[in-house]
Amino acid sequence: GAVVSQHPSWVICKSGTSVKIECRSLDFQATTMFWYRQFPKQSLMLMATSNEGSKATYEQGVEKDKFLINHASLTLSTLTVTSAHPEDSSFYICSAPLDRGNTEAFFGQGTRLTVV
Amino acid sequence: QKEVEQDPGPLSVPEGAIVSLNCTYSNSAFQYFMWYRQYSRKGPELLMYTYSSGNKEDGRFTAQVDKSSKYISLFIRDSQPSDSATYLCAALRGGYSTLTFGKGTMLLVSP
Repeated sequence: GAVVSQHPSWVICKSGTSVKIECRSLDFQATTMFWYRQFPKQSLMLMATSNEGSKATYEQGVEKDKFLINHASLTLSTLTVTSAHPEDSSFYICSAPLDRGNTEAFFGQGTRLTVV
Repeated sequence: QKEVEQDPGPLSVPEGAIVSLNCTYSNSAFQYFMWYRQYSRKGPELLMYTYSSGNKEDGRFTAQVDKSSKYISLFIRDSQPSDSATYLCAALRGGYSTLTFGKGTMLLVSP
């Protein structure tokens, strides 16, 4: 079946540094990918919609200059957390819909980011 | 009011029990309703989805939607310790819209 691969699965970084998270669709093309953030015991909150070949669409309250999204190909989207701070520590998850209805949305394994 | 409400639990049951997980929603425009299972420190895994009202069965899992009461249910028969996970309900308006998730219910099935 369709698989979305996310890397790295966990990362620890120092405050002020940048971290890049990759999301790949392995056996299908994803013109759109979604980036979510999940705090402990909280629901997944959509951060942004990544569109291949164009600018990402950010949800209200998400800083686009802090969370840089690049979707340069039909199989790869990246999220870069710039100048990370401890409050950015969270579980970041990408997903890619298999069809336009988004009913078969496949999720990556998630990335646990800890900023110290 | 959140668009999709879900009791976070935890819900503890003995092995073999029938589990009932529930969500309510407020947006009448939702047409698709999903259930995801999420193990600790992993991304969500789609279990099943239903369109509009009705039931859908897949093995030990049954998803049920009642649009009149805006109520979503997932039943797990003969629960197993391997079913221990967080179960997330989600809803979708249709077309190319984005998923709206509940908070997730943690299920613990003891041997």
